[in-house]
Amino acid sequence: QITLKESGPTLVKPKETLTLTCTFSGFSLSTRGVGVGWIRQPPGKALEWLAVIFWDDDRRYSPSLKSRLIITKDTSKNQVALTMTNMDPVDTATYFCAKRLGDTSTGGAYDHWGQGTLVTVSS
Amino acid sequence: QSVLTQPPSVSGAPGQRVTISCTGSSSNIGTIYDVHWYQQFPGTAPKLIISGNRVWPSGVPDRFSASKSGTSASLAITGLQAEDEAHYYCQCYDPSLSVWVFGGGTKLTVL
Repeated sequence: QITLKESGPTLVKPKETLTLTCTFSGFSLSTRGVGVGWIRQPPGKALEWLAVIFWDDDRRYSPSLKSRLIITKDTSKNQVALTMTNMDPVDTATYFCAKRLGDTSTGGAYDHWGQGTLVTVSS
Repeated sequence: QSVLTQPPSVSGAPGQRVTISCTGSSSNIGTIYDVHWYQQFPGTAPKLIISGNRVWPSGVPDRFSASKSGTSASLAITGLQAEDEAHYYCQCYDPSLSVWVFGGGTKLTVL
């Protein structure tokens, strides 16, 4: 059974740095083709893809947020972390981590999702 | 503003067939990469229901189907049921930017 769960602060102040952790089970990030990504959803709005990291440490970022994002993995702990700098109230959203379905580091859907964690940016 | 364009809302009566469109470009839907569809109920995570032209995972009713043509894709739901009322999102890959992109979402209302 595959599970993912996000953890991290629920409230951050403007200009602060947010770090979220995705802890997963039921698969390994050392298996060829496996990737774990982050997607966010502001309240009442659409999904926005942020970043993904693959088994071979290949990393991809949303072009509009690339300068503020860092995604890392700890294969031994089955964890993926996302760091977002210079947080702003517009970054208030539910942040989801999800497993990428596919054999290579291109394309594919996200077939298993965490429950999400709501992060509010406010002073 | 989302890269892929979906109608904000669609509706249908129980038993009817509805379609949800997803319009992209030659950089995403117009490539060799599949379009995927997610269903999301309020307060829950999105759930993958169709990957390419296959329902995913097994257990998703075959009332759901998808297709792609050129730079557009669509999700069709036949025999509409009250339990289908949810938001639906399309998603694709953009190889020119090496990024994954989502549609703006469509709220399906069962009348």
